[in-house]
Amino acid sequence: SQQGEEDPQALSIQEGENATMNCSYKTSINNLQWYRQNSGRGLVHLILIRSNEREKHSGRLRVTLDTSKKSSSLLITASRAADTASYFCATDVAAGNKLTFGGGTRVLVKP
Amino acid sequence: DAGVIQSPRHEVTEMGQEVTLRCKPISGHDYLFWYRQTMMRGLELLIYFNNNVPIDDSGMPEDRFSAKMPNASFSTLKIQPSEPRDSAVYFCASRQYGPDTQYFGPGTRLTVL
Repeated sequence: SQQGEEDPQALSIQEGENATMNCSYKTSINNLQWYRQNSGRGLVHLILIRSNEREKHSGRLRVTLDTSKKSSSLLITASRAADTASYFCATDVAAGNKLTFGGGTRVLVKP
Repeated sequence: DAGVIQSPRHEVTEMGQEVTLRCKPISGHDYLFWYRQTMMRGLELLIYFNNNVPIDDSGMPEDRFSAKMPNASFSTLKIQPSEPRDSAVYFCASRQYGPDTQYFGPGTRLTVL
């Protein structure tokens, strides 16, 4: 089974609203990463949070990590139509080599 | 830099045929990864290389799949013989030693009829 599981599987919001998605994982990690995939394209790295960090920001993105609950959340504030994509969390268990991806959250931002 | 380059972008073949997917990683990157993405199984790591050496191929589905990296700027993933269940999008990704970010190519959409 997958290391990371995203919730919800799909999300539909209006432009300007915030979008929140969650990722749960099973084993201890070195870091957790979030990627975006636009339809028909490759994945693009968004943000990385290390196991000793609790929160990280990058522009309109905010990521939290709770290692005690083995969960992470990605918040996109003031969403735009261009944020429409699938978002994946990926866990790095052993310092940098293998990433295990979750099933993704499909986000639709309606103009 | 042009990013990770994959070819072909689309491949349609018949069951039993040999399929070769190609990848050119970002110059200077030490690691190269091959992934497969399907609706049913999501994104799976097939194999990865470090400095052209295969490190972990535990994700390769079966002996029909093989991957090579003859030099730092080129890798191939071969399926022989191909089967309809191999239909998927295959991604190549690369990264430098140290930073953990992986850079993905645009993918090859493989359809096996």
